Amino acid sequence: ETGVTQSPTHLIKTRGQQVTLRCSSQSGHNTVSWYQQALGQGPQFIFQYYREEENGRGNFPPRFSGLQFPNYSSELNVNALELDDSALYLCASSFNPGHGFSYEQYFGPGTRLTVT
Amino acid sequence: KQEVTQIPAALSVPEGENLVLNCSFTDSAIYNLQWFRQDPGKGLTSLLLIQSSQREQTSGRLNASLDKSSGRSTLYIAASQPGDSATYLCAPRYTNAGKSTFGDGTTLTVKP
Repeated sequence: ETGVTQSPTHLIKTRGQQVTLRCSSQSGHNTVSWYQQALGQGPQFIFQYYREEENGRGNFPPRFSGLQFPNYSSELNVNALELDDSALYLCASSFNPGHGFSYEQYFGPGTRLTVT
Repeated sequence: KQEVTQIPAALSVPEGENLVLNCSFTDSAIYNLQWFRQDPGKGLTSLLLIQSSQREQTSGRLNASLDKSSGRSTLYIAASQPGDSATYLCAPRYTNAGKSTFGDGTTLTVKP
């Protein structure tokens, strides 16, 4: 059983550019959440996808967008990059049974984005 | 607003000590709470998940307790080892399978 994987590991972009980050969820998981973690802080929720639909969004502007594919992998897209977007971007997958107790979230290793 | 506070922000102990990390959350209407560890520059590793109906969970040297009514959770680490050095994060969930809300973590250093 493979865990959550993310690509790329590191990325350097210039202000104003666009970036796409990718996440492959753990086998059997149908839910993917994206988080942004600034240095020295806890992760902040960006949005979640459940069965290819957005299922909740945090306090992030519309230039942060995402997709979930039929195999439950996901992309995070950020347009018009700003210096403050420099952070570790974390993807987490879990299984949502649709009822009853929710299961653990499992995180990937993250993508370190630097905007210059 | 749902906020999570972790105290202390940093902790340094000698190897072998038992220790307690604290987590408090402002909204007690949680579904569950998960504890994670994070090594520098890495992703989060799940340690324990406690459902709202449970009072505690144990895994090896780790024991997490949950007092939902008072909005508190503690992570107890027995016989600490240098390999336990990391940042520990707690994350309550307020809807079933929804987002997790994180504190800023407690950075633990265990000295040999």
